Amino acid sequence: GAVVSQHPSRVICKSGTSVKIECRSLDFQATTMFWYRQFPKKSLMLMATSNEGSKATYEQGVEKDKFLINHASLTLSTLTVTSAHPEDSSFYICSATTSQGSNSPLHFGNGTRLTVT
Amino acid sequence: EDKVVQSPLSLVVHEGDTVTLNCSYEVTNFRSLLWYKQEKKAPTFLFMLTSSGIEKKSGRLSSILDKKELFSILNITATQTGDSAIYLCAVRSGGTSYGKLTFGQGTILTVHP
Repeated sequence: GAVVSQHPSRVICKSGTSVKIECRSLDFQATTMFWYRQFPKKSLMLMATSNEGSKATYEQGVEKDKFLINHASLTLSTLTVTSAHPEDSSFYICSATTSQGSNSPLHFGNGTRLTVT
Repeated sequence: EDKVVQSPLSLVVHEGDTVTLNCSYEVTNFRSLLWYKQEKKAPTFLFMLTSSGIEKKSGRLSSILDKKELFSILNITATQTGDSAIYLCAVRSGGTSYGKLTFGQGTILTVHP
């Protein structure tokens, strides 16, 4: 149980275009989803926390207008990288928890490798 | 600011060796500490620790938490090449809703045959 599906797994786009990444909880309702960014051989850096039906909470230093997060339903959150630049190239991973306020572990999607040329 | 520090950052061993990975933390309103293993894609969950002194065990892996000294260790005995991965320690903190999960830098473990 507790499967998180992330799509696409890999995307290459041109500078200036926007890219949307989807994160779905397949067999549970995810009231809270998290978006992380990971650089090569580095740890996960939390970008934002997304709660269903409300605005995402962004971490310090993360541009809200650049990384648009939408959590429209209990099973889907999306991250849109707008006007992408080469420095946005990275590995983006989403994760979800089964219920708000619980102490359950996070379950991760398989990540999206974004390359901006 | 919440901080999670792992050591060593990298470790190279031979099959059959035993390794100990360390994780120390300074956070506000600690809730739990989690260990993950990351190979090529997403991290996979290993353990969640909430109470001091209670060892969690799964096969050759075990972990324990010390809430007084603010650290945890992850032990792997009789290592195998399949144990090669990045091991991530994360601490959940915060009083609202799910809280926040802060990751350490990770320990890159390489097991040679």
